[in-house]
Amino acid sequence: DIQMTQSPSSLSASVGDRVTITCRASQSISSYLNWYQQKPGKAPELLIYAASSLQSGVPSRFSGSGSGTDFTLTITSLQPEDFATYYCQQSHTTPNTFGQGTKVEI
Amino acid sequence: EAQLVESGGGLVQPGGSLRLSCAASGFTFSSYWMSWVRQAPGKGLEWVANIKQDGSEKHYVDSVKGRFTISRDDAKNSLYLQMNSLRAEDTAVYYCARDKAFKRGSSWYGFSDYWGQGTLVTVSS
Repeated sequence: DIQMTQSPSSLSASVGDRVTITCRASQSISSYLNWYQQKPGKAPELLIYAASSLQSGVPSRFSGSGSGTDFTLTITSLQPEDFATYYCQQSHTTPNTFGQGTKVEI
Repeated sequence: EAQLVESGGGLVQPGGSLRLSCAASGFTFSSYWMSWVRQAPGKGLEWVANIKQDGSEKHYVDSVKGRFTISRDDAKNSLYLQMNSLRAEDTAVYYCARDKAFKRGSSWYGFSDYWGQGTLVTVSS
């Protein structure tokens, strides 16, 4: 199975900060990488698919980049509603494994 | 808009069985792959299984192979997860999700764009 490793596991940030979360795959997955946001007690929501495509309705302050094994989710100008846990997921090979998550806290 | 509603969760003893259902509405259910993803209490997301549009292809994470079965009934717009020989480590919120494919160049990229609210399965004596 492809292992997905996110860093950091958690981070503290302030409103208006630029935040970067990284995700590394244990083998090359081309651009088969998705990012999800999850708030406590809620289902995950899709942010980015195919490494860099923004899901409809997601604010443009979210962006994704990378290819192969190394990927990045960037949030420019963090907003209060962005405090949540973020997960990467590879869709290159089943099982479509997730990273362990990155909790963004105040 | 697409909507997914899971049901069937509850408390079950180790070794027992449970069948989860996911009712879909607001989209052409038969046109999409569907997935189950779970989340143990306080833990991260774990992909469990998915099923092709016509049910001809199914994939599972190793930890549930031989114990869980994913299925669908397109006439009822429903997705199912039959869970047998349940273990304490299967305790989790189970989400169903709609899988979509996006073509860029010659490649198709998959992702889950709609999720249900989840149903809690607790395996305990």
